[in-house]
Amino acid sequence: EDKVVQSPLSLVVHEGDTVTLNCSYEVTNFRSLLWYKQEKKAPTFLFMLTSSGIEKKSGRLSSILDKKELFSILNITATQTGDSAIYLCAGDSGGGADGLTFGKGTHLIIQP
Amino acid sequence: NAGVTQTPKFRILKIGQSMTLQCTQDMNHNYMYWYRQDPGMGLKLIYYSVGAGITDKGEVPNGYNVSRSTTEDFPLRLELAAPSQTSVYFCASSYSVGLNSGANVLTFGAGSRLTVL
Repeated sequence: EDKVVQSPLSLVVHEGDTVTLNCSYEVTNFRSLLWYKQEKKAPTFLFMLTSSGIEKKSGRLSSILDKKELFSILNITATQTGDSAIYLCAGDSGGGADGLTFGKGTHLIIQP
Repeated sequence: NAGVTQTPKFRILKIGQSMTLQCTQDMNHNYMYWYRQDPGMGLKLIYYSVGAGITDKGEVPNGYNVSRSTTEDFPLRLELAAPSQTSVYFCASSYSVGLNSGANVLTFGAGSRLTVL
């Protein structure tokens, strides 16, 4: 059974801090790893990672994949209160529409 | 573009009642999904569809039914509501290049919060 484990499950930091969120995976026929940000409503797409060692970056957010050690990290620098959200990662087995396995999410709270 | 639209946003049901959660997308996506999200449990796949007329069970299908008569619409039916179905439900869609290709990037609806008392 495919498994995606995120850590920590919750994290409280102060504005301006840098945070690192972790995602480890055991996914059969792994194809890609996806990160989503979920504020009060729908998860919104952040990154899709398919290749090891290549950093994807969007503003203060960045992510990298390690296919040898089966994990990914999501970094957020100079955090702002608007970064408060649940961050979800999902492993895609590419085996069809039911190939995504989601982790439980990391609940990040940024205090002013 | 509206993207993925779900209705209703909130609903309270009594045990044994039935209801349908509506989902429509205007992106011409072939894949559509229903997930449920319980606190601290991530997203669990209920049902999915790879195209009009084709549906299949996900990880937690019991107590639910779906249909996909058009590319745009993917309603989720609860026949006999139970307290265990209290959850937030998300509809999502994606475009994939073939029936056996991966899910790719999902676009989610805003969610429907259902409480069964």
